[in-house]
Amino acid sequence: GDSVTQMEGPVTLSEEAFLTINCTYTATGYPSLFWYVQYPGEGLQLLLKATKADDKGSNKGFEATYRKETTSFHLEKGSVQVSDSAVYFCALRRHTGNQFYFGTGTSLTVIP
Amino acid sequence: DAGVIQSPRHEVTEMGQEVTLRCKPISGHDYLFWYRQTMMRGLELLIYFNNNVPIDDSGMPEDRFSAKMPNASFSTLKIQPSEPRDSAVYFCASSLTGQGGEKLFFGSGTQLSVL
Repeated sequence: GDSVTQMEGPVTLSEEAFLTINCTYTATGYPSLFWYVQYPGEGLQLLLKATKADDKGSNKGFEATYRKETTSFHLEKGSVQVSDSAVYFCALRRHTGNQFYFGTGTSLTVIP
Repeated sequence: DAGVIQSPRHEVTEMGQEVTLRCKPISGHDYLFWYRQTMMRGLELLIYFNNNVPIDDSGMPEDRFSAKMPNASFSTLKIQPSEPRDSAVYFCASSLTGQGGEKLFFGSGTQLSVL
């Protein structure tokens, strides 16, 4: 079945460090791919998305590129801030039906 | 719009009691999802509705769990009887098909503790 695998956390970085959170997926066909972010005490919010191969999603300095050949959608940010501390979820949605499949989440803590 | 509204924010109950979680989706959205989040299992889809009709409830753990959507603006998730292993954060989310339909809007969740 469809699934998402993302790197284990927690991840701790110093402010202005480079961030990569790995995500790979298994799916039938060509799903849409997403990164959601969850701040403490809140629900998940969409961070960025890509709907087809080679698309790059970007928002708030975060980027991820839909790589069909490696079935990956790694999240990157060149310079993290303390305010980026949150849990990040990779997710996919098939084009048929409307089910979203989420990874287990990666906790990021950025220290000053 | 106020977003997806869930109530209560926190629920503490004793084992064996009935628990009802409530959700008001964003007005006009035609999909509603119930998720459960735990440290061990991450975010699990329990059930989702389209136009108030349950589409897939294969994620509902067992018969103790039930969900209803009597109209487009309200849904409930009921656990009867509750057990300590049901302790988790339960999220409701909604979306709209068509333009922008791939974006899920989450509520703030209900933190359930079963003692």
